Amino acid sequence: GNSVTQMEGPVTLSEEAFLTINCTYTATGYPSLFWYVQYPGEGLQLLLKATKADDKGSNKGFEATYRKETTSFHLEKGSVQVSDSAVYFCALTGATGNQFYFGTGTSLTVIP
Amino acid sequence: SAVISQKPSRDICQRGTSLTIQCQVDSQVTMMFWYRQQPGQSLTLIATANQGSEATYESGFVIDKFPISRPNLTFSTLTVSNMSPEDSSIYLCSVANTFRWPEAFFGQGTRLTVV
Repeated sequence: GNSVTQMEGPVTLSEEAFLTINCTYTATGYPSLFWYVQYPGEGLQLLLKATKADDKGSNKGFEATYRKETTSFHLEKGSVQVSDSAVYFCALTGATGNQFYFGTGTSLTVIP
Repeated sequence: SAVISQKPSRDICQRGTSLTIQCQVDSQVTMMFWYRQQPGQSLTLIATANQGSEATYESGFVIDKFPISRPNLTFSTLTVSNMSPEDSSIYLCSVANTFRWPEAFFGQGTRLTVV
């Protein structure tokens, strides 16, 4: 079946620190992979995505590379800001591309 | 992209009562999805709502507890029936765009507290 395992939080970093949030997956077929972000009091927003192996998704300084050999899609950012404080969800789609499977979410707090 | 309006944004309800959550999309979509996000946990798919047919429920969710309506291509409702404190969660409406790349859009969610 399909599942996502995500690094547990909470994570607390100082501003300008390097961020890595680990995500590994189990899937049948060739899923697309996503990172969604949920800012306080808001809904989920797509942060980045990758639809095939070795693709790199990037947005707002965040990056993640679709690694089929390690079934991973780790989220990274070189220098976090206070405004990056949010909950981050790793997700994948099933074979039809309609149903999404989410990790448990990682709460990130960036302190000045 | 799709803009999803969900209401109410939050509610506090008495146990044994029911709450209907509405989801309005600014464009026509074939499939709409309802998720539950329990405190400290990830999103769990409740059901998929297709226009003109019965909703498809995931394991652990039944129509009597979570009846869904989908009267047209831009609107859906989820009812949480006979509520108990265990139903306290955030409920999210979602639509998927598969026309070009797979992507999901979410409403802001309904934060439900059952007392």
